[in-house]
Amino acid sequence: NAGVTQTPKFRILKIGQSMTLQCTQDMNHNYMYWYRQDPGMGLKLIYYSVGAGITDKGEVPNGYNVSRSTTEDFPLRLELAAPSQTSVYFCASSYTGGANEQFFGPGTRLTVL
Amino acid sequence: GENVEQHPSTLSVQEGDSAVIKCTYSDSASNYFPWYKQELGKGPQLIIDIRSNVGEKKDQRIAVTLNKTAKHFSLHITETQPEDSAVYFCADDRGSNYKLTFGKGTLLTVNP
Repeated sequence: NAGVTQTPKFRILKIGQSMTLQCTQDMNHNYMYWYRQDPGMGLKLIYYSVGAGITDKGEVPNGYNVSRSTTEDFPLRLELAAPSQTSVYFCASSYTGGANEQFFGPGTRLTVL
Repeated sequence: GENVEQHPSTLSVQEGDSAVIKCTYSDSASNYFPWYKQELGKGPQLIIDIRSNVGEKKDQRIAVTLNKTAKHFSLHITETQPEDSAVYFCADDRGSNYKLTFGKGTLLTVNP
């Protein structure tokens, strides 16, 4: 199993540009998550999904959108990139949700200039 | 919501010494307390977890203790090695069936 894969690894955007961060898992996990990690601030939950077709906001959803059309994929969309969205983004998945292990991808480092 | 409070933010120890990281939570509904290790350039990885019906759990050189009365839990690493150098995150579930809330992390450096 590849686990959780994320693309791209790095990206530089100009202010106002849009992009989609891709996330795929091959473990047949129901739950998937998007976090952002800023220096010294830990992991902040952006959006999560408890299954295909179901998504919900986390702690810091503004400026982002998600979709979950399949069990495997959970893309994160930035519509109008802003410097405040410069961060490292991690996708994670788990089989049954909160009180169980989350498996993280390798991350996407995004810079907005 | 507020992060789980995690201390210290940085910790430097000599190889072979012990390291202790402490987290404090506020929600009495919290039942699940995992610890994640993040090596440089990688995603976090679960190293140990504990549930609210247990006071202590060990896995070789790593242990976690939980004090429900005081609402804090701690990670203990004994006989530290340079490969233990990483950022460690605590988290709790706040009684949620869906998600975790993470602390801000502790950068542990083990000096050879």
